[in-house]
Amino acid sequence: DAEITQSPRHKITETGRQVTLACHQTWNHNNMFWYRQDLGHGLRLIHYSYGVQDTNKGEVSDGYSVSRSNTEDLPLTLESAASSQTSVYFCASSPGQGLSGGETQYFGPGTRLLVL
Amino acid sequence: AQRVTQPEKLLSVFKGAPVELKCNYSYSGSPELFWYVQYSRQRLQLLLRHISRESIKGFTADLNKGETSFHLKKPFAQEEDSAMYYCAPKRNAGNNRKLIWGLGTSLAVNP
Repeated sequence: DAEITQSPRHKITETGRQVTLACHQTWNHNNMFWYRQDLGHGLRLIHYSYGVQDTNKGEVSDGYSVSRSNTEDLPLTLESAASSQTSVYFCASSPGQGLSGGETQYFGPGTRLLVL
Repeated sequence: AQRVTQPEKLLSVFKGAPVELKCNYSYSGSPELFWYVQYSRQRLQLLLRHISRESIKGFTADLNKGETSFHLKKPFAQEEDSAMYYCAPKRNAGNNRKLIWGLGTSLAVNP
């Protein structure tokens, strides 16, 4: 079955280290999104992509980067991890505009990141 | 600025009671609106979309353009409805495909 997966599911790292969180979807969706979920802040958009080679900043993009070299993957990189980046990270994908159910987002299981 | 408001962080009801989770959005036009749900230890998933005009798990939501609201309702709450609920509008303009997320309402249905 097609799905969206994230790895690792749990990660502990130290401040200053570079960390990459993987997101992989097998639906061939055009759109992919990275969010962080924090108590009191709900879901906040970090970066998003509407297709291969397309990346855009979301509302909380500082300290994060993404790249989209193929349709299936949108890895999220924390350039130099900070304690403020301790959070639960969710990846999501959607088929795209003009398609049936095109804007429904499908979420991965999440990655819990702890930065010490 | 585009904004969506879910005024209740926590809503606690008894089993069998009616429940209404409020959602108000700040911009005009014809947005597309969604409710997403996150059950304990599960991933976020779509509950319903306003354009489908459907009822999912007994929940309905009506778009009120005059009040710019999209409240989620269920006449008789069940314990398995306990979850985090997010309202997420999408502004239909240009090539926008992003959702704007409310802060969420945690629904607790007590036995």
